[in-house]
Amino acid sequence: EAGVAQSPRYKIIEKRQSVAFWCNPISGHATLYWYQQILGQGPKLLIQFQNNGVVDDSQLPKDRFSAERLKGVDSTLKIQPAKLEDSAVYLCASSSGDGTGVEQYFGPGTRLTVT
Amino acid sequence: GEDVEQSLFLSVREGDSSVINCTYTDSSSTYLYWYKQEPGAGLQLLTYIFSNMDMKQDQRLTVLLNKKDKHLSLRIADTQTGDSAIYFCAETLFDYKLSFGAGTTVTVRA
Repeated sequence: EAGVAQSPRYKIIEKRQSVAFWCNPISGHATLYWYQQILGQGPKLLIQFQNNGVVDDSQLPKDRFSAERLKGVDSTLKIQPAKLEDSAVYLCASSSGDGTGVEQYFGPGTRLTVT
Repeated sequence: GEDVEQSLFLSVREGDSSVINCTYTDSSSTYLYWYKQEPGAGLQLLTYIFSNMDMKQDQRLTVLLNKKDKHLSLRIADTQTGDSAIYFCAETLFDYKLSFGAGTTVTVRA
């Protein structure tokens, strides 16, 4: 079974530029999560989708971050405009079931550097 | 700051047992997890325990849960160089959203 796929793996941009990350969850997984992991910290949840609907985006900085999962499969996370403090690894995870999956599986992450 | 607390570093000799400790804050936590992160990689789910259990064993891994003290530990038997990584403790409530600690960096020395 293929795992969670993410691209790109690395991205370097200047502040005030825009960037987008892509995630393809494990096949059949209804729930998809985006986490931000700043160096030296544990991941923090940004947004949770169940199928194509948002379950929780309370921690998403909505003035600059947006995310979508239009067909209930792939998801895109966008930052516009980026700030220096957005430098982090962005992790995508998925779980099975209607938001009740106990096991979350993570992709390899996208390492973003904002200069 | 983190709601889940972990010590930052652990150094262990190859072949010895490693014990990584974690303190969580919410007595309503339903599941408690251990994830492993190697350099440049995502998080690998190692094991998890339901909150009504005291212990879970899975090959070289043993998880102990003390609900009274909100203390979780992960014991790795016969630690190998491939066990060098950052280990994250995490908890979820009823909504299955993971709340992570800052991670414990385990270094295995020969």
